[in-house]
Amino acid sequence: NAGVTQTPKFRILKIGQSMTLQCAQDMNHNYMYWYRQDPGMGLKLIYYSVGAGITDKGEVPNGYNVSRSTTEDFPLRLELAAPSQTSVYFCASSYSTPKGNSPLHFGNGTRLTVT
Amino acid sequence: AQSVSQHNHHVILSEAASLELGCNYSYGGTVNLFWYVQYPGQHLQLLLKYFSGDPLVKGIKGFEAEFIKSKFSFNLRKPSVQWSDTAEYFCAVNLINDMRFGAGTRLTVKP
Repeated sequence: NAGVTQTPKFRILKIGQSMTLQCAQDMNHNYMYWYRQDPGMGLKLIYYSVGAGITDKGEVPNGYNVSRSTTEDFPLRLELAAPSQTSVYFCASSYSTPKGNSPLHFGNGTRLTVT
Repeated sequence: AQSVSQHNHHVILSEAASLELGCNYSYGGTVNLFWYVQYPGQHLQLLLKYFSGDPLVKGIKGFEAEFIKSKFSFNLRKPSVQWSDTAEYFCAVNLINDMRFGAGTRLTVKP
C-alpha cells in the first residue's frame, strides 16, 4: 500500500523554467491538496481538489496550476519558476472533507530550488 | 485575519521534562482540531485529533491535547518527553474543504 507518492524528491530549476510535480494516491481518496512548507511559515495551501475534474485555489495559488483528470493523480505545474517558489512541496489526500472524520495523508515531499 | 497561532518557534528540553506546546485559532463556529508531527526528513503524520466530546484527547506516543473552547486553544502536552520526540509539531484547524496549519514548533530533546 503505497499511500501518497510524490516525484521527484529533489529538483533544481533555473528562473523561467517550467516543471510538473507529480502526486499519486492509491487509497481512492476524493480530496487532494498541494501545500508548500517554508521555514517558520508552516504549511500553506496552494490548490486543492474535491474530486476528479474539480479544483480550487487555496491560500497561495499564484504561479501554479493544477489538474485532476483522475481520482488518483493531482499534478502541480510551475510555468515560469521564480526564486520565491523555492520551497518544500507536500501533496496530501483525504477520504472526505477535512470537516468530517478524515485526516490528511501526506506524501514525502519534493524539495525544489529555483536559482 | 483568521489564523492558527503557535506560540513557540523552538523549544529545547531535556529527556523526562514535561512538554506543553501552545496553539490558538481564530476561526469561528465549529472546528475540528489536529496536531501533526514531522520527524526529521519525514512527512507529516497525524498525532491526534479533536472532533467532539471529551475535550481532553489522547494520541499516539503518550501525547494528549486539551480543547478549551472559551480560549480558542488546543494545547499539546506530554508528561515526560524522550529523545525520539525531537521533531516539528504543527497545529491545524480544518475548514470546509481544506486544512489550515500553524507555523510549527520545533522541539529538540536533549538526551
